[in-house]
Amino acid sequence: DAGVIQSPRHEVTEMGQEVTLRCKPISGHNSLFWYRQTMMRGLELLIYFNNNVPIDDSGMPEDRFSAKMPNASFSTLKIQPSEPRDSAVYFCASSQDAGKAYGYTFGSGTRLTVV
Amino acid sequence: QQQVKQSPQSLIVQKGGISIINCAYENTAFDYFPWYQQFPGKGPALLIAIRPDVSEKKEGRFTISFNKSAKQFSLHIMDSQPGDSATYFCAASRRQAGTALIFGKGTTLSVSS
Repeated sequence: DAGVIQSPRHEVTEMGQEVTLRCKPISGHNSLFWYRQTMMRGLELLIYFNNNVPIDDSGMPEDRFSAKMPNASFSTLKIQPSEPRDSAVYFCASSQDAGKAYGYTFGSGTRLTVV
Repeated sequence: QQQVKQSPQSLIVQKGGISIINCAYENTAFDYFPWYQQFPGKGPALLIAIRPDVSEKKEGRFTISFNKSAKQFSLHIMDSQPGDSATYFCAASRRQAGTALIFGKGTTLSVSS
């Protein structure tokens, strides 16, 4: 099993540009989570999908952020337009049954730098 | 009520010593308390987890102690090794479907040899 696959690993973009982060969850996992990690705020939940349906998007900072899960094997997190304060490491994680028995498997993250 | 407060922010322990990281929560509906370990450049990985019907869970050198009345739980790493140097996150959630883990801000542990 290749685990949770995120791309790109690093992204440097200019303020105002659109950024799209991608995630392929583990096959058979029915829950998918997007988290953002910064030194100041730690790991913040952005959005949570269950069976491809968004369940909780209360952590999405503002309308500039959007996430989709068109099928069980792919999800995207889009930031448009990007701002310097969006610079962070973005993690995707997947789990069986919301991770209550087996925990979450995290990807290696996308380090986003907005200049 | 959704917060999980973790301390200390950083910790330096000598090889062979005991590392202790503490977490506190407010939401009494939380009933699942995992700890995750993160190495530089990697995503967090599940280390050990506990449910509130037990006061302690041990896996090798790692032990979770849980105090339901105080709404606190802690991670103890016995015989700490340089390979344990990492960032540790506590987390909490409700067991019911439709809820996600809420993480503490993390503790960076350095074990000196």
